[in-house]
Amino acid sequence: DTAVSQTPKYLVTQMGNDKSIKCEQNLGHDTMYWYKQDSKKFLKIMFSYNNKELIINETVPNRFSPKSPDKAHLNLHINSLELGDSAVYFCASSHFNRGVYGYTFGSGTRLTVV
Amino acid sequence: DQQVKQNSPSLSVQEGRISILNCDYTNSMFDYFLWYKKYPAEGPTFLISISSIKDKNEDGRFTVFLNKSAKHLSLHIVPSQPGDSAVYFCAASEPYSGGGADGLTFGKGTHLIIQP
Repeated sequence: DTAVSQTPKYLVTQMGNDKSIKCEQNLGHDTMYWYKQDSKKFLKIMFSYNNKELIINETVPNRFSPKSPDKAHLNLHINSLELGDSAVYFCASSHFNRGVYGYTFGSGTRLTVV
Repeated sequence: DQQVKQNSPSLSVQEGRISILNCDYTNSMFDYFLWYKKYPAEGPTFLISISSIKDKNEDGRFTVFLNKSAKHLSLHIVPSQPGDSAVYFCAASEPYSGGGADGLTFGKGTHLIIQP
């Protein structure tokens, strides 16, 4: 029973296309995120979403947009894909209780733009 | 500007010995620190964490030490086992704001190799 699941696991697409990656968490966490791991293996936050409040990393191009239909889902839409968007994208969720953070990551989506 | 630094890209340790992974940070606002383990083609999995009000947290073979004055933390694994071979990420968080959160700031990771 996967806690944070994202689909697809692999995505190969051409430049200029629009694509989406889906993420769902069944942990009841109140905050969800998207992270990008680039070719240098650096994990960087892209978005966080909590109670309909979206925080965007200012370095993220506006071609990327998160969509949250409900508390358990945070999907990532990417318009006009570019070669540089090729990376592994991780969804995550978190909660905060009694001074302890709990963060859980999905298994990642490897996006290849050709 | 890297706020969380793991200066050793890789570390090789013999099975049964202690593995020590180091992490430094520059942001004095960080108050919570986590270690994650990652296998290829999988997401990071949580290992252990520590709040800035503590200087040590232990969970089985894993112990995390925090030195706030030096802005340094370390993960000790003892004894090291072959299954510990993976990439280990240090991550840090600022105080939870109660609303939207800034998420975790990660180091670049250290690839731990346990040799038989």
